[in-house]
Amino acid sequence: SQTIHQWPATLVQPVGSPLSLECTVEGTSNPNLYWYRQAAGRGLQLLFYSVGIGQISSEVPQNLSASRPQDRQFILSSKKLLLSDSGFYLCAWSAEEAGELFFGEGSRLTVL
Amino acid sequence: GDSVTQMEGPVTLSEEAFLTINCTYTATGYPSLFWYVQYPGEGLQLLLKATKADDKGSNKGFEATYRKETTSFHLEKGSVQVSDSAVYFCALVMNSGYSTLTFGKGTMLLVS
Repeated sequence: SQTIHQWPATLVQPVGSPLSLECTVEGTSNPNLYWYRQAAGRGLQLLFYSVGIGQISSEVPQNLSASRPQDRQFILSSKKLLLSDSGFYLCAWSAEEAGELFFGEGSRLTVL
Repeated sequence: GDSVTQMEGPVTLSEEAFLTINCTYTATGYPSLFWYVQYPGEGLQLLLKATKADDKGSNKGFEATYRKETTSFHLEKGSVQVSDSAVYFCALVMNSGYSTLTFGKGTMLLVS
């Protein structure tokens, strides 16, 4: 069966420090991969999605970037965190176009 | 563009009460519709889905019917439990071409 893992689960970082969140999917090949952010008390915001290695689409211009170095690995990064980057980050995958999403456990980032 | 509107929460119910969470959508074509549930501190889990008009999705006592005429996909459960306390997200995805899920803002349900 397919599984998705993301880490770290929680992270507290000072303003201006770098960020790296990782997500891996197992049990499937060539998944579509997504990064969402959920700010406190708000809905889901799609940040990036990828349909293949090295292919990244950005939905919102911001302080973050994403990379897909391997088929089942998706990384969310920042060179310098801002206070507004705090939130709950969710990685997800889908098996096909217009397919349902399967989410990871989430990573809670607090920027101080 | 495509959009999903959910009733604002929180919805507060007593155990064994009847639940309805309203969801309406706007789309240029014929989307697939989903309900996701997010328990505190966790990622989202798919609760149920419907891919065409008049389909009824059901799972764990929850159900929702895809109503094209009213562009709605209301979530219902006959008797809620304390363990149903969570945030519920309605979402859609277009069935033609590549597209990403569009989520509503979520509705918090509190059962005591």
